[in-house]
Amino acid sequence: DVVMTQTPVSLPVSLGGQASISCRSSQSLVHSNGNTYLHWYLQKPGQSPQLLIYRVSNRFSGVPDRFSGSGSGTDFTLKISRVEPEDLGDYYCLQSTHFPNTFGAGTKLELK
Amino acid sequence: EVQLVESGGGLVQPGRSLKLSCAASGFTFSNYYMAWVRQAPKKGLEWVATISTSGSRTYYPDSVKGRFTISRDNAKSSLYLQMNSLKSEDTATYYCAREGPDYWGQGVMVTVSS
Repeated sequence: DVVMTQTPVSLPVSLGGQASISCRSSQSLVHSNGNTYLHWYLQKPGQSPQLLIYRVSNRFSGVPDRFSGSGSGTDFTLKISRVEPEDLGDYYCLQSTHFPNTFGAGTKLELK
Repeated sequence: EVQLVESGGGLVQPGRSLKLSCAASGFTFSNYYMAWVRQAPKKGLEWVATISTSGSRTYYPDSVKGRFTISRDNAKSSLYLQMNSLKSEDTATYYCAREGPDYWGQGVMVTVSS
């Protein structure tokens, strides 16, 4: 199985500041069709996960442009600029290029 | 508006069975792959099963293969997860999700304990 290594585990931030979360995969996430199926989710306390970014860098419907995704191959990053209170929670990366789908262990974004 | 509503969770003894349901609305259910994802208490996310649009193809990780069965009824816009031979490590919140996954349900809790 593809192992998704997500860092850091915990990320203290100040409101209005910037946050960066890394996700590294144990093998390339480039599919044979040329697409890279790496996605980012936010799970707010007591809620189900919500899709933020799909296929590395595409913001899902309604996601503010403060969120951006980048990367290629095995190395991916989610950046959050101008952090707001509603951004706090657990962030997960997911790869669906290789069977079985695998998630990163999560990053808790919390107030400094 | 896409809505996914799970039901059927509860407390079950080890070795017993349970069937979860997910009622979908707000989109053409038969056009989408569907999945189940679970989250053990205070833990991360684990993909459990995926089913193709027609139901002819299903996919499972080794942790549940042979014990769990995903199915769907496109006429009823419903997704199911039959869970057999349940173990304590199956205790989790189970989420129904549309392919992506992009939309998730609110989740249903399954507790396996004697």
